[in-house]
Amino acid sequence: DAKTTQPNSMESNEEEPVHLPCNHSTISGTDYIHWYRQLPSQGPEYVIHGLTSNVNNRMASLAIAEDRKSSTLILHRATLRDAAVYYCPRGGGSQGNLIFGKGTKLSVKP
Amino acid sequence: SQTIHQWPATLVQPVGSPLSLECTVEGTSNPNLYWYRQAAGRGLQLLFYSVGIGQISSEVPQNLSASRPQDRQFILSSKKLLLSDSGFYLCAWSVGLAEPNEQFFGPGTRLTVL
Repeated sequence: DAKTTQPNSMESNEEEPVHLPCNHSTISGTDYIHWYRQLPSQGPEYVIHGLTSNVNNRMASLAIAEDRKSSTLILHRATLRDAAVYYCPRGGGSQGNLIFGKGTKLSVKP
Repeated sequence: SQTIHQWPATLVQPVGSPLSLECTVEGTSNPNLYWYRQAAGRGLQLLFYSVGIGQISSEVPQNLSASRPQDRQFILSSKKLLLSDSGFYLCAWSVGLAEPNEQFFGPGTRLTVL
């Protein structure tokens, strides 16, 4: 029942791109890759998900390794409001459960 | 549009007292419902999930229980709180069981047990 693994923390400067990595080496072929973020004192919010191909939405981009054992969440231009804890929870539970680790705390410096 | 409510927003309770946290969802039918706990400096821990009225699954043995008396109502309870029950409690909902199963989280309840 391995979780995904992420760095505990990362720092970025405002207006610069941020690449947040996630290792999910035990992912199965049908499990989606999810990303959520949690702003201070709030519940987590969905950011993006993908299966095999890279994905883009208004919040971020998701780059998925060819072997699907890792992924990278890309914030193209970090803002102060992007300071949050970013999670890549493992999916695939029998009841649609997501299993969250500790995430990566992103700090954004002005 | 769908919304999820949790109350109270904050709660301070003495050790040994009972607990009741409520979560309600509006704008959707037959959602899957989840209770998570986030202890200080820790990640989210799934406590309970429910796929229908009266159907509760527990992920970890603990001092807490959950109930789903109505389709869009999920309640987290305890008969006697422990210090270790302190944390940030989050309710979430989703639709269906198949992936990607995006989950939508409530604003949370911050519980302090003294």
